[in-house]
Amino acid sequence: SQKIEQNSEALNIQEGKTATLTCNYTNYSPAYLQWYRQDPGRGPVFLLLIRENEKEKRKERLKVTFDTTLKQSLFHITASQPADSATYLCAPTSGNTPLVFGKGTRLSVIA
Amino acid sequence: DGGITQSPKYLFRKEGQNVTLSCEQNLNHDAMYWYRQDPGQGLRLIYYSQIVNDFQKGDIAEGYSVSREKKESFPLTVTSAQKNPTAFYLCASSRGQPGGNQPQHFGDGTRLSIL
Repeated sequence: SQKIEQNSEALNIQEGKTATLTCNYTNYSPAYLQWYRQDPGRGPVFLLLIRENEKEKRKERLKVTFDTTLKQSLFHITASQPADSATYLCAPTSGNTPLVFGKGTRLSVIA
Repeated sequence: DGGITQSPKYLFRKEGQNVTLSCEQNLNHDAMYWYRQDPGQGLRLIYYSQIVNDFQKGDIAEGYSVSREKKESFPLTVTSAQKNPTAFYLCASSRGQPGGNQPQHFGDGTRLSIL
C-alpha cells in the first residue's frame, strides 16, 4: 500500500538558517507532489505544486525538489523566520485521485 | 472574499446522537472533500464529491454520511455508528476533478468532542 514518510515529527532551527524538510514515498509513483502549511487550529494552506517532470520549483523563499528515482521531495525555506513556524504537509498524489497526505513535520524557527 | 466556511468551530455531541457539520464554498469549485485529523496523524479522507448529487467513500467512511444537493454545500453527518468521533474535521474544495494537479482550498475546521 502507499506509504508517505516525513522526516521527524519536529525540526528546530535558528532564524536566518535554511530549513530542509523531507518527504519520502513508497509503493507508488505519484505524478504530482504538493506542499501545504498548517498552523495550529487552522486548515492547511497550499504552498507549491511540482510535477514529476520538473526537478525543482521556487516561490519566493521556498524551493521544492522532486526526485522520482529516490522517491523523495525536499522542501527548503531559506532565510527562515519565526513566522515560518508551522506544520508542513506533503501530498504525493497521482493525477486522478484525491490527495494523500503525509503526517507532517512541525517546524520551529528560533529567534 | 472567496473561500470555504466551516461551522461551527467547536461542536459537542452526546453519545448516541448524530451531528451535522456544515461546509460552504463560494469558489465555484466542482470537487469537495471531508478529512479527519487526529493528533499526530495526517489527514485521512472520509468522503469526496466530484459533482452535485454524486459522492464517493474515502478511506474511513464508516460511521459518516454526506450529501451534495448544491454545488456550494457539502455537509457531513457523524452518526452514532462512528465509535470514536472526537477529532478535527476539515472540509476542502478544488477546481475540476480530484487529482494531484489541483491544489485544495481548506476551511478552518470543526473540532468535535464527545460529552
